[in-house]
Amino acid sequence: GQQLNQSPQSMFIQEGEDVSMNCTSSSIFNTWLWYKQDPGEGPVLLIALYKAGELTSNGRLTAQFGITRKDSFLNISASIPSDVGIYFCAGLLTGNNRKLIWGLGTSLAVNP
Amino acid sequence: GAGVSQSPRYKVAKRGQDVALRCDPISGHVSLFWYQQALGQGPEFLTYFQNEAQLDKSGLPSDRFFAERPEGSVSTLKIQRTQQEDSAVYLCASSPRTGKDTGELFFGEGSRLTVL
Repeated sequence: GQQLNQSPQSMFIQEGEDVSMNCTSSSIFNTWLWYKQDPGEGPVLLIALYKAGELTSNGRLTAQFGITRKDSFLNISASIPSDVGIYFCAGLLTGNNRKLIWGLGTSLAVNP
Repeated sequence: GAGVSQSPRYKVAKRGQDVALRCDPISGHVSLFWYQQALGQGPEFLTYFQNEAQLDKSGLPSDRFFAERPEGSVSTLKIQRTQQEDSAVYLCASSPRTGKDTGELFFGEGSRLTVL
C-alpha cells in the first residue's frame, strides 16, 4: 500500500535546541498535515498545508509542503519540555482514493 | 463535552469475547472516522461515516469488525470473537467537513483494547 517515510524515527535533544523532521513518499500528495500525539491521547493537528511550496507557521512550529508534492518537513524552534511526544505526518493522495495516509511517527524527547 | 469522547478508555477481553467501543463526536460534526493504531505505528484507517451513512468500510480488517452510527451522532465499533491481533488503540475522529478526503480531524483519546 501507500507509504510515508518519516525520519528520524526518534530524537533526543536539549531544551532550547531546534528540531527538524521530514516525510517523503514516492507518491504525489494534495495535502500534508502534521499531528502531535501525547502518551495516552489522540493525535492533535498542528499544521495543515494545501499548496506545493507553501510554508506555514504555528508559533514555534514551521512546516513546508515540498515543491515536488512528495515531501514535507516540520521544524520546531527553541524546544521546550512540553514538546515531548510523537509527531506524525499525514498526507492526502491525489486521485479518487483520497484517504489520509500516515507516517510511522518521530518520537521527540527533550532534556530540560 | 467540547471534544470527541470515547469509552471505555481501556478494555481487556479474553480471546473470543465480543467488545463494543463507543465514540461520541463533537456536536454537529458530519464526518466520523475510526482508526486502529498498533503500538509504535501510525493510525490505520478502518471506516468512515457521513452522518448515518457508512460510506467507506474498506479498512475493516475482517468481517468480525462492524461499525454503526444509526442516528448520525454516536458511533459504535464492535469486534466479534476477538483475537490477540486485535489488540490496539482504537481512535475515533470527527470533522465538520463532509467527505473522507479531509485531513483536519479531531481525535478522541482512544480506547485501548488488550486481548488475552
